Amino acid sequence: EAGVTQFPSHSVIEKGQTVTLRCDPISGHDNLYWYRRVMGKEIKFLLHFVKESKQDESGMPNNRFLAERTGGTYSTLKVQPAELEDSGVYFCASSQVTGATEAFFGQGTRLTVV
Amino acid sequence: GQNIDQPTEMTATEGAIVQINCTYQTSGFNGLFWYQQHAGEAPTFLSYNVLDGLEEKGRFSSFLSRSKGYSYLLLKELQMKDSASYLCAVLPLNTGFQKLVFGTGTRLLVSP
Repeated sequence: EAGVTQFPSHSVIEKGQTVTLRCDPISGHDNLYWYRRVMGKEIKFLLHFVKESKQDESGMPNNRFLAERTGGTYSTLKVQPAELEDSGVYFCASSQVTGATEAFFGQGTRLTVV
Repeated sequence: GQNIDQPTEMTATEGAIVQINCTYQTSGFNGLFWYQQHAGEAPTFLSYNVLDGLEEKGRFSSFLSRSKGYSYLLLKELQMKDSASYLCAVLPLNTGFQKLVFGTGTRLLVSP
């Protein structure tokens, strides 16, 4: 069974540009989470989908970030326009049921804004 | 809010035992996780403690004391492949099991 996959693995963009990150959760997992790790800091929660609905987006930094999960399958996280401080590793995770004790993480997308 | 502390870096030798500590301060608590992360790879689940005591899984064990806000991950018979970052994460109360709060991680280097 395929794990959580993220695309791209690396992205380097200029300040002001737009970038879209994609996450494919494990098939059948209704819960999808986005996290971010900024250099030298801890991994921080961004938001949580249950199927196509946003359950909690309290961790989203600002309105330059837009997450979608149309159809309740894969999810995208768009940053527009990107700023230098958006650089970091963006992780996606999925779990089968809400309250599951184990969430499976993808390997992350390393975003560098220059 | 939550405050999670763990050492930044630890070193140990192959075959030895190492204990990675994690302390947390949280207004509510639903459990504590340990994840292992090799450089450039996905964090992978190691253990979950919600009750006080020791959970053993092969070479890895995790301990929790809720009253002390303290956990440790114990790695026995260290192997070179255990060199990785170990992330302590708390699941706060009243978050609907939705958002893990991570520490900054402990980078473990195992030498021959």
